[in-house]
Amino acid sequence: ETGVTQTPRHLVMGMTNKKSLKCEQHLGHNAMYWYKQSAKKPLELMFVYSLEERVENNSVPSRFSPECPNSSHLFLHLHTLQPEDSALYLCASSQVRGSSQETQYFGPGTRLLVL
Amino acid sequence: GQQLNQSPQSMFIQEGEDVSMNCTSSSIFNTWLWYKQEPGEGPVLLIALYKAGELTSNGRLTAQFGITRKDSFLNISASIPSDVGIYFCAGSTSGTYKYIFGTGTRLKVLA
Repeated sequence: ETGVTQTPRHLVMGMTNKKSLKCEQHLGHNAMYWYKQSAKKPLELMFVYSLEERVENNSVPSRFSPECPNSSHLFLHLHTLQPEDSALYLCASSQVRGSSQETQYFGPGTRLLVL
Repeated sequence: GQQLNQSPQSMFIQEGEDVSMNCTSSSIFNTWLWYKQEPGEGPVLLIALYKAGELTSNGRLTAQFGITRKDSFLNISASIPSDVGIYFCAGSTSGTYKYIFGTGTRLKVLA
């Protein structure tokens, strides 16, 4: 149990659907992250929220829309996705202190398949 | 973007053997992390390193923060079948929210 939970664990959606991924951290951290993990590629950082403000957006297409209502919850809203968006989507959290951050802890991921 | 070189890409070893893998970077890092990921799961933190030269153990796992701050090593002693998985390194520099991840070492242990 890493203290970071994600739902759903698996999701199949059509290209015209709208769905949301949810992440919750129980570690008291102040930063949360969305990563995309595709086969045989390094983890790709998508979004970073620190103290509920978005501080990083790595040129992610607008069909991915993050939301961080508080320091414990993070959402990724999905709409009109493409088949190449199929991947494992991982949430992580960490404690940021000043100019440094501590260890990142990951959730179990949501396996997304876009048909 | 910036990327860590992690090697080897994959390893097939016999149960009981020791394993070594490493990550190198063109940039200096002030934190190194090592994770293990099993199929269908998120990465699980194994060891965190915060100081150049630091050597840290977690059971049969030992990791080192290279003196140059551009590399890190992970060793697994006396491997067992449950060591199977993908091992990732990650590095971070001060003043950034980002960790840069390696491409992973896929480990398979033959009983």
